[in-house]
Formats: sequence, C-alpha cells, structure tokens
Amino acid sequence: SAVISQKPSRDICQRGTSLTIQCQVDSQVTMMFWYRQQPGQSLTLIATANQGSEATYESGFVIDKFPISRPNLTFSTLTVSNMSPEDSSIYLCSGRVLNTEAFFGQGTRLTVV
Amino acid sequence: LAKTTQPISMDSYEGQEVNITCSHNNIATNDYITWYQQFPSQGPRFIIQGYKTKVTNEVASLFIPADRKSSTLSLPRVSLSDTAVYYCLVGDSNGGFKTIFGAGTRLFVKA
Repeated sequence: SAVISQKPSRDICQRGTSLTIQCQVDSQVTMMFWYRQQPGQSLTLIATANQGSEATYESGFVIDKFPISRPNLTFSTLTVSNMSPEDSSIYLCSGRVLNTEAFFGQGTRLTVV
Repeated sequence: LAKTTQPISMDSYEGQEVNITCSHNNIATNDYITWYQQFPSQGPRFIIQGYKTKVTNEVASLFIPADRKSSTLSLPRVSLSDTAVYYCLVGDSNGGFKTIFGAGTRLFVKA
C-alpha cells in the first residue's frame, strides 16, 4: 500500500498557540482522514479531508478548532488551533483508495503545556 | 456503520494460537469485516478483510459464520512481537467509507 509521511512526528507547544500537521502520501488517494488518539484509547475520527472543498467534521469537532486543508490528492494539513492541555494527543492521518483498505501515518505526538 | 464488540484484552503465550472474536449483530448486507493491528507509537496496519466463510493470508485467518453476526481473527503461533491492539471494523469497502474504530482488543503475548 501507499506510504504516508507526517510532520512533525512530535511537538511540545504552548497553550494558546496553533500547530499545523502535514500529511503527505506517496501516491494519489481518494479519501484522506484525520484521527485523534488519546494514550491507551482507540482512534477517534476528527474529519474527512475533501479535496478542493471544506472538510466534513464528525460530531464534537469543529472547523474553527481543527481547520483542515486538502489542496490535492496527495497532501493534507490539520491545524490544532488555540491549543489547551486537553488537546495533548496523537494525531493520525489516513488515506484510502476506493475498494482498498485504509493506511495510516505514524502519527504526530502533541503535548500542550 | 455497524457497531462492533470485542474483548478488551487477552493474554497468550508464545507459540499458541490466538483467536479474537468480534460481535457485529447489525452488520449490513454489503458490509465487509476488516481487522487492523496497532503497535505502540505506530498507526494501525491492515491485517485481513473478509465477507463470508474463511479468508487466510500470510499473517492471519478470518472466520465468518453464515449469519455474519460475528467473526474470529485467528493468529497462528503468536510471538512476543504480536503484542498489539487488534481492531475489528465493519463497513462497506466499496464506497470509500469512513474507517470507524471500536475499542479494540489488547493482546499481550508472554514468553
């Protein structure tokens, strides 16, 4: 399957600031997704990144807090805005081509202090 | 999307066969069953997918009874490196569906 690279792999940020996470796929994918995973917990879907249009957010997640871009079929960004310690988590990017399974990046470990 | 239920955790010893069962009573006609594996500090990795009966690959086997309301992931002769979280997902693989994760099963393999 395709390979996803996420940057940064980890970061420590001050509360009130914003962090943009980049997700690059080495081939075109139909769909891209962003997840959050708290330590010891399962993955929670934040949103579907739609190419050329606004992302589709899951319940409990809003665009003002987690703006997402997807300018083409291989790249997406997730911004965590106005961070608080509660935003400390692992953020994962996922890609999918129709009729195949999803694949994931290694994740970005975010700590907000 | 059909809800799935799995055991929270399982313990095993090296060399044993491990079977993890997933319940999905509300599975739809066009839903596939997919299993992912996640190691610490890594993203989930696809293991196997099936629709009915039995599917086998180099990593695992997936058994699905005729009513499809449950499935069993079978890992033959596990090793310490199989210690991970295993997720069972149910959905339509043809429509680019959202991959929604349940709680998963934490497998711990002991020496």
